[in-house]
Amino acid sequence: SAVISQKPSRDICQRGTSLTIQCQVDSQVTMMFWYRQQPGQSLTLIATANQGSEATYESGFVIDKFPISRPNLTFSTLTVSNMSPEDSSIYLCSVVEQGGTEAFFGQGTRLTVV
Amino acid sequence: QQQVKQSPQSLIVQKGGIPIINCAYENTAFDYFPWYQQFPGKGPALLIAIRPDVSEKKEGRFTISFNKSAKQFSLHIMDSQPGDSATYFCAASKRGGADGLTFGKGTHLIIQP
Repeated sequence: SAVISQKPSRDICQRGTSLTIQCQVDSQVTMMFWYRQQPGQSLTLIATANQGSEATYESGFVIDKFPISRPNLTFSTLTVSNMSPEDSSIYLCSVVEQGGTEAFFGQGTRLTVV
Repeated sequence: QQQVKQSPQSLIVQKGGIPIINCAYENTAFDYFPWYQQFPGKGPALLIAIRPDVSEKKEGRFTISFNKSAKQFSLHIMDSQPGDSATYFCAASKRGGADGLTFGKGTHLIIQP
């Protein structure tokens, strides 16, 4: 399976600031997704990162708050903008390999907003 | 609207027992149903997945049972071990997994020695 590296692994940020999370995959993948997992909760899909075009956002998530880039088949970023304590969560990158159907997850970025 | 309902929320089983976790879905467009295992501080790891044209799938000690008419599926863990203690999530997707996943709320499983 694809090896997914997320950076940073964790961060503590001041409210009102922004944080960009990087997701690097060791092979070309078809699909890249971003999820949020609030403490002790399940995972919620934020958006699908589309190569070379705007991401597709799920209901309740907007581009101004969570801008996403995907410049190529192995890399994507998620920015959490103008953060508030309610944004404290684990953010996870997920990929589906070319020709595959299984979704694999990175280790996540644990974000705390103070 | 919760599209994938998972139960129980927590489960305690003795070593060697067979924990069973159940999920029900509402959207008939779902056609791919994976199960994930998550340990604290780690990302979810894919355990096993099934499609609606199959009623049962086994991989090692893990078995998925699928009931298309009832829109339900379940995970059985045979010969459970303390190392199986983790949170388990069922999920569902459209387009054979190419769409993003809708997750159940998770089951916190403890296997007692």
